[in-house]
Amino acid sequence: GESVGLHLPTLSVQEGDNSIINCAYSNSASDYFIWYKQESGKGPQFIIDIRSNMDKRQGQRVTVLLNKTVKHLSLQIAATQPGDSAVYFCAENIEGGSYIPTFGRGTSLIVHP
Amino acid sequence: NAGVTQTPKFQVLKTGQSMTLQCAQDMNHEYMSWYRQDPGMGLRLIHYSVGAGITDQGEVPNGYNVSRSTTEDFPLRLLSAAPSQTSVYFCASSLAPGRGVYEQYFGPGTRLTVT
Repeated sequence: GESVGLHLPTLSVQEGDNSIINCAYSNSASDYFIWYKQESGKGPQFIIDIRSNMDKRQGQRVTVLLNKTVKHLSLQIAATQPGDSAVYFCAENIEGGSYIPTFGRGTSLIVHP
Repeated sequence: NAGVTQTPKFQVLKTGQSMTLQCAQDMNHEYMSWYRQDPGMGLRLIHYSVGAGITDQGEVPNGYNVSRSTTEDFPLRLLSAAPSQTSVYFCASSLAPGRGVYEQYFGPGTRLTVT
């Protein structure tokens, strides 16, 4: 379940497993979504994006699924590696809006060797 | 390309002091923005700019000023530092809409402590 206060939701997996990170977005008008990865001590880095006219998009080892009905995104990482350990943020945006995305709280992914 | 650079990396201020966090990008991006990140929180938008001479407030603008006199630079000024401004500050830049990609490029961050 999701933590409150200072603690991020955390997902712990074994190396080689598949990881699924979930994100609920807030604005039903949002039509563009991005996943970012933030390693310790660094700025966020773009992973993959998806527009609302799609429900799935695949990248290298990552897949993003979008369910607009329940306002839910997920990021699937195949064959998770220790280098995938990071905080993952989803961000939502409205094309035609300010084009500055709104970020979620993030999920900490810990990969055990 | 250096991408997005931020200075300083670390800063300690006393309550009431002022300072400027520097941000520069060499990608000719129109959009630039400042975020703060607190423990257990996502990124909260402070101010943003859609081009030189144009700035707007984000979610948490109080206590901060910005200006955008050039495309490359977007400094963030703390007018009178308060302990509540202790945070990690990230600058980001991106292309303007209509050019296909809305990916933001982030700097390495400035870790600010106000005592």
